[in-house]
Amino acid sequence: EAQVTQNPRYLITVTGKKLTVTCSQNMNHEYMSWYRQDPGLGLRQIYYSMNVEVTDKGDVPEGYKVSRKEKRNFPLILESPSPNQTSLYFCASSFFPSGGEQYFGPGTRLTVT
Amino acid sequence: GIQVEQSPPDLILQVGANSTLRCNFSDSVNNLQWFHQNPWGQLINLFYIPSGTKQNGRLSATTVATERYSLLYISSSQTTDSGVYFCAVERTGGFKTIFGAGTRLFVKA
Repeated sequence: EAQVTQNPRYLITVTGKKLTVTCSQNMNHEYMSWYRQDPGLGLRQIYYSMNVEVTDKGDVPEGYKVSRKEKRNFPLILESPSPNQTSLYFCASSFFPSGGEQYFGPGTRLTVT
Repeated sequence: GIQVEQSPPDLILQVGANSTLRCNFSDSVNNLQWFHQNPWGQLINLFYIPSGTKQNGRLSATTVATERYSLLYISSSQTTDSGVYFCAVERTGGFKTIFGAGTRLFVKA
């Protein structure tokens, strides 16, 4: 089944404890992206990747890192999480780097205390 | 950057009613999608529609790229249509995706 998977789906952690949210797609898509969703602010793009080893900042990249070493994986890294990073996170992928239809993962609900 | 505005922000319908949701954008786009976020938070692709008209069952969408707007039509609303509807665009020549603030729909029996 063609899909975007994220792990974990739910995570409660403490301030400053490094964490990684994994994202994987099995559709051979070139483009992958991370978003966060906050009440009243909608979905905002954190980082995107147009292909392996090619990443760029979205609108809210502060406090996050990404890497794209393989085409199928695009992990989101929080080196020192803070409470303002408590959010619902979505990973997405599309076949084309520009103009392609995006498919979203199920979301990861992160709480930082 | 490109601005995306959705209207109305909130909508309450009776089962069986029809509705039109609107998405206005401020620049030319090479990608426009409509999504439904269900009450469990899942984002479901409805339409990939940078231009033209598409239909899928009770839902249809039209994008008039030259006038910078898109419409999502929901006919014969069901309670399962409740949730938030988002449009998302990618500016022509860009790689970033911008979401509108969404329209929150509640369909009551």
